[in-house]
Amino acid sequence: NAGVMQNPRHLVRRRGQEARLRCSPMKGHSHVYWYRQLPEEGLKFMVYLQKENIIDESGMPKERFSAEFPKEGPSILRIQQVVRGDSAAYFCASSRRQDNGYTFGSGTRLTVV
Amino acid sequence: QQQVKQSPQSLIVQKGGIPIINCAYENTAFDYFPWYQQFPGKGPALLIAIRPDVSEKKEGRFTISFNKSAKQFSLHIMDSQPGDSATYFCAASPFFGSSNTGKLIFGQGTTLQVKP
Repeated sequence: NAGVMQNPRHLVRRRGQEARLRCSPMKGHSHVYWYRQLPEEGLKFMVYLQKENIIDESGMPKERFSAEFPKEGPSILRIQQVVRGDSAAYFCASSRRQDNGYTFGSGTRLTVV
Repeated sequence: QQQVKQSPQSLIVQKGGIPIINCAYENTAFDYFPWYQQFPGKGPALLIAIRPDVSEKKEGRFTISFNKSAKQFSLHIMDSQPGDSATYFCAASPFFGSSNTGKLIFGQGTTLQVKP
């Protein structure tokens, strides 16, 4: 079992570009969570998805951010028109059912220059 | 109400010492309290978790103490080793009920250094 796979591990984007972060959950897991970690801070919840559905997006910024988890393929976190303040580590986690016992990936470190 | 406050921000102990990290919460709907360990460049890994029906839980060298009336919980690391040097996060969530979406509220983190 390869665990939760996130790619790319590091992503550099210029201001105004789009960033696309991918997350492949563990085998058999149909629940995906995205968190953001700013330097020297804890993780902040962004969004919770099941296959083809957004269940809780209470932590997502209202503009420029979107997430999806299609029937086939990885979950995608998309950030449009990136700004310097978007620089952070973005972590994905997955679980077999809707509970808190989920496994995190190693994250994508986004740097906006 | 949704915050979890963690202290200290950083901690240095000698090998064999017992570092203690504390967390406090306000939301009485929280009933699941995990601790995560994070090494540089890695994702957080679940270390140990507790629910408020018990006051203490031990797994190996790691112990959670829970005080429901004070709304506080803490992590103790017995016989700490240099390999325990990492950042530790407490978190909280409602475990059961319609309000549970699996969302975790994390503390700010504690950077622990265990000196040889």
